[in-house]
Amino acid sequence: DTGVSQNPRHKITKRGQNVTFRCDPISEHNRLYWYRQTLGQGPEFLTYFQNEAQLEKSRLLSDRFSAERPKGSFSTLEIQRTEQGDSAMYLCASRTESSGAYGYTFGSGTRLTVV
Amino acid sequence: EDQVTQSPEALRLQEGESSSLNCSYTVSGLRGLFWYRQDPGKGPEFLFTLYSAGEEKEKERLKATLTKKESFLHITAPKPEDSATYLCAVRGNTGNQFYFGTGTSLTVIP
Repeated sequence: DTGVSQNPRHKITKRGQNVTFRCDPISEHNRLYWYRQTLGQGPEFLTYFQNEAQLEKSRLLSDRFSAERPKGSFSTLEIQRTEQGDSAMYLCASRTESSGAYGYTFGSGTRLTVV
Repeated sequence: EDQVTQSPEALRLQEGESSSLNCSYTVSGLRGLFWYRQDPGKGPEFLFTLYSAGEEKEKERLKATLTKKESFLHITAPKPEDSATYLCAVRGNTGNQFYFGTGTSLTVIP
């Protein structure tokens, strides 16, 4: 296993279109997180899954955003009716209970540009 | 609310010129302070975790220290390959998320 994989790496979409991103965590990691990072800022928490259950959601996650993690494996993040303010890097991270000392393992992110 | 402030925003050093990056934090029940390195266009890469005041961790030219209110990332004799953005994050006892600072962009000039 080579780490957390995110696809696509880059996505350009027109305002109003829907987009979906995928995250494949490290296989033995049961905890998965989505963060959003804009230029010059640190990552901001969006949502957290433990296995297939979505346990936490940020107030940043408007009703246009939805995330799933069917069967507790890969996860998808969908943004409906995209807006220019959604342009950002979307980062996925994973960990297990025993990896606490190592924090998260992040993927390389999906950079979204809404034009 | 848990909060992290990093300073300076940007730092330019000559190769070999040692310095420190600061991370000030407020958190309800610290469950870990984390340092990450982020290269342009990539996700953050884990460096260190600190749990309690007085704790120190070292890795090559980097040393992280922790007090009750702040953490420092000391860079000794930096090389150009140390150029990156260094992010600090904390995890409190109010949830599973990490709170990140805005980072310090380090440039090491040969």
